[in-house]
Amino acid sequence: EDQVTQSPEALRLQEGESSSLNCSYTVSGLRGLFWYRQDPGKGPEFLFTLYSAGEEKEKERLKATLTKKESFLHITAPKPEDSATYLCAVRGDSSYKLIFGSGTRLLVRP
Amino acid sequence: GAVVSQHPSWVICKSGTSVKIECRSLDFQATTMFWYRQFPKQSLMLMATSNEGSKATYEQGVEKDKFLINHASLTLSTLTVTSAHPEDSSFYICSAQTGTRGDTQYFGPGTRLTVL
Repeated sequence: EDQVTQSPEALRLQEGESSSLNCSYTVSGLRGLFWYRQDPGKGPEFLFTLYSAGEEKEKERLKATLTKKESFLHITAPKPEDSATYLCAVRGDSSYKLIFGSGTRLLVRP
Repeated sequence: GAVVSQHPSWVICKSGTSVKIECRSLDFQATTMFWYRQFPKQSLMLMATSNEGSKATYEQGVEKDKFLINHASLTLSTLTVTSAHPEDSSFYICSAQTGTRGDTQYFGPGTRLTVL
């Protein structure tokens, strides 16, 4: 059964304090791993799609990496506006559905 | 690029009435659209999947006669909550998929439904 586990559940950082969010997954035939950012009362905002182990993508202060078992979302020198819930999801060969993790709630204090 | 809109962004209705929510892909054609429901502090729960011109596929436990989905074109899908009750109050989010490699889903801003 396809499964996604995100950790930590919540993370508090000081502005400028870099850290990483983890997304561990099990899936039969990875078709894509997706990172989204969700602000309260809004729909998820697309960040990255990763397709194969070793792939990395960057956007501003965010960098996503992928191995065969997990993905990391690295946040470098975060700012308060980076505060949000970060969702990880996977799609495998056996299904058209996205399997979501429970998310990591990030709070960046000024 | 890859912008998805939803209308309305919020709606309040009386118990027993029906409510229609529209989901549009503004700058791309969506081969597939999805409807999710999200409860406070929980992740997204897939309700149904729709392809243009085909009947929607509903997830187990989702009443297809209550949540009517119509995918009239490659840029528009609608969700109608029929005979709404207070327990249907929730945050409804749609997504659209382009069909390219990896099948990235792009999400709309969501619709907050409150049934009195």
